[in-house]
Amino acid sequence: EDKVVQSPLSLVVHEGDTVTLNCSYEVTNFRSLLWYKQEKKAPTFLFMLTSSGIEKKSGRLSSILDKKELFSILNITATQTGDSAVYLCAVEIGANSKLTFGKGITLSVRP
Amino acid sequence: DVKVTQSSRYLVKRTGEKVFLECVQDMDHENMFWYRQDPGLGLRLIYFSYDVKMKEKGDIPEGYSVSREKKERFSLILESASTNQTSMYLCASSLGGRGEKLFFGSGTQLSVL
Repeated sequence: EDKVVQSPLSLVVHEGDTVTLNCSYEVTNFRSLLWYKQEKKAPTFLFMLTSSGIEKKSGRLSSILDKKELFSILNITATQTGDSAVYLCAVEIGANSKLTFGKGITLSVRP
Repeated sequence: DVKVTQSSRYLVKRTGEKVFLECVQDMDHENMFWYRQDPGLGLRLIYFSYDVKMKEKGDIPEGYSVSREKKERFSLILESASTNQTSMYLCASSLGGRGEKLFFGSGTQLSVL
């Protein structure tokens, strides 16, 4: 059975802190790993990772994939209250490119 | 910008009712998906479609059906709603091919009483 596990499930930090969110996976026929941010209702796309060791970066957010150890991390530096959200990790699997999601990590950034 | 529109933000129905959730995308995307999201369980795929009149079961299709008569519209149908179908329903679409960058609708919070 394909599994995507995110940790921790929730996290509370103060503004300015750096956070690392984890996503590990056990799947057959891996194709890519994606990160989404969900603030209110609709998740919005952050990153797609297909190759090991190549960091993707967007402002204060960055992400990297390790295909040998089967995990990815999402880093957020100098956190702001606007970073408070649920962060979803998903793995694209198989020939039909189906996405399997983890349960999400709830991040709360306090002023 | 891609827009994925779900017809209702909130919906309250009675047990046994037939429920239709509508989703429309405006970017000519090939692929459309229905997920439900529950606390502690994350997003789970109900059904998806890669083409008009085509549908495939996801991980939790029981109690649901779908319809895709036009490329831009994907409907989720609860034939006889039950209380365990109370959930947030999210529709998504993607262009197709490798790398499923999904664009999501704002969700429909369905309560079945």
